[in-house]
Amino acid sequence: GAVVSQHPSRVICKSGTSVKIECRSLDFQATTMFWYRQFPKQSLMLMATSNEGSKATYEQGVEKDKFLINHASLTLSTLTVTSAHPEDSSFYICSARSPGTGGQETQYFGPGTRLLVL
Amino acid sequence: LAKTTQPISMDSYEGQEVNITCSHNNIATNDYITWYQQFPSQGPRFIIQGYKTKVTNEVASLFIPADRKSSTLSLPRVSLSDTAVYYCLVVGNFNKFYFGSGTKLNVKP
Repeated sequence: GAVVSQHPSRVICKSGTSVKIECRSLDFQATTMFWYRQFPKQSLMLMATSNEGSKATYEQGVEKDKFLINHASLTLSTLTVTSAHPEDSSFYICSARSPGTGGQETQYFGPGTRLLVL
Repeated sequence: LAKTTQPISMDSYEGQEVNITCSHNNIATNDYITWYQQFPSQGPRFIIQGYKTKVTNEVASLFIPADRKSSTLSLPRVSLSDTAVYYCLVVGNFNKFYFGSGTKLNVKP
């Protein structure tokens, strides 16, 4: 159980285009999902919190107009990188919050999406 | 938000038990400890989490002393496929996860 999928796994696009990444919780409902970015040899950096039915909340320094997040259902959140540029090339990972056991929540992560902007 | 400190890297040999310790001196009463494993170009994989004493599952054990200011992830009899980065996080319910640098474990034959 507790599987999170992402699509696509890899995308290459031209500078100036927009790219949409989907994150799905396959076997549980997630009112809250998270989006992270990871550059080579670095740790995961939290970008934003995606809340079902409401606006996403962004971490300091993350442009909300650049990274559009939509959480339209309890199992799907999407991240759209608008007008992508080479510096947006990175590994994007989503996670979904699950109730867990013993009152302790757990986040389950997707496999990640590798974005390369040419 | 409790800050965590882990060794940057560790080396081990196949078949050995590996213990990775994480310090979290300012852990709050309601916080618990969660460990993840990450392979290159993959999302983090949940390993184990606990609040106090000892937790064991099919892949690891987590030891948390009474003061909860540190925790130790124990991997029994590691293999080459356990080479990965291991992250310790201290979180509370409804909290966001902020990842530290993690510990890069290198298992040698």
